[in-house]
Amino acid sequence: AQSVSQHNHHVILSEAASLELGCNYSYGGTVNLFWYVQYPGQHLQLLLKYFSGDPLVKGIKGFEAEFIKSKFSFNLRKPSVQWSDTAEYFCAVNARTGTASKLTFGTGTRLQVTL
Amino acid sequence: NAGVTQTPKFRILKIGQSMTLQCTQDMNHNYMYWYRQDPGMGLKLIYYSVGAGITDKGEVPNGYNVSRSTTEDFPLRLELAAPSQTSVYFCASSYSTRGTEQFFGPGTRLTVL
Repeated sequence: AQSVSQHNHHVILSEAASLELGCNYSYGGTVNLFWYVQYPGQHLQLLLKYFSGDPLVKGIKGFEAEFIKSKFSFNLRKPSVQWSDTAEYFCAVNARTGTASKLTFGTGTRLQVTL
Repeated sequence: NAGVTQTPKFRILKIGQSMTLQCTQDMNHNYMYWYRQDPGMGLKLIYYSVGAGITDKGEVPNGYNVSRSTTEDFPLRLELAAPSQTSVYFCASSYSTRGTEQFFGPGTRLTVL
């Protein structure tokens, strides 16, 4: 079974600091990878996704993530965070097998950006 | 398009009561999902459906039931509410099976006392 690990549970950064959130997954086959964001009181929204091709993917609001197959990682980055990036971030993996798109989520990383 | 809508937004139940959480999508997606979100635990899949009339269990199905009579609607039923079912419930839908984006509803915050 696939699993996802997010090692940073709570991250506090000052505005303009750089961000990197770790995500590792366990699955031996081909995967689709996602980062979702949940702003306070809101539902999950897609930040970015990787299906194939260029392992460096760019998403909304200046976020990017790099898929490193050899490390089973899909870390999220942003060069300069803003106060409005305060949210919870979820990494998710979908294995390209089976009959349904069943995402497995990590436990999430709560990002707090201070002014 | 409204996307994925859920009702109610909040609900408090007493132990043993039953209720149905409603979920509707207007994107003509075949695939729909119910998740629960508990603090520090991420999202866990309760049930999913690959089309009208077809449902299957996810990771944490105990205490819940679902039905899918139409493409648009995917209600989640709690028959005998228990405190362990206090959670935030999210419904989602997607176009296909193979790793396409899932679109989430706004959630239902349920408290069982």
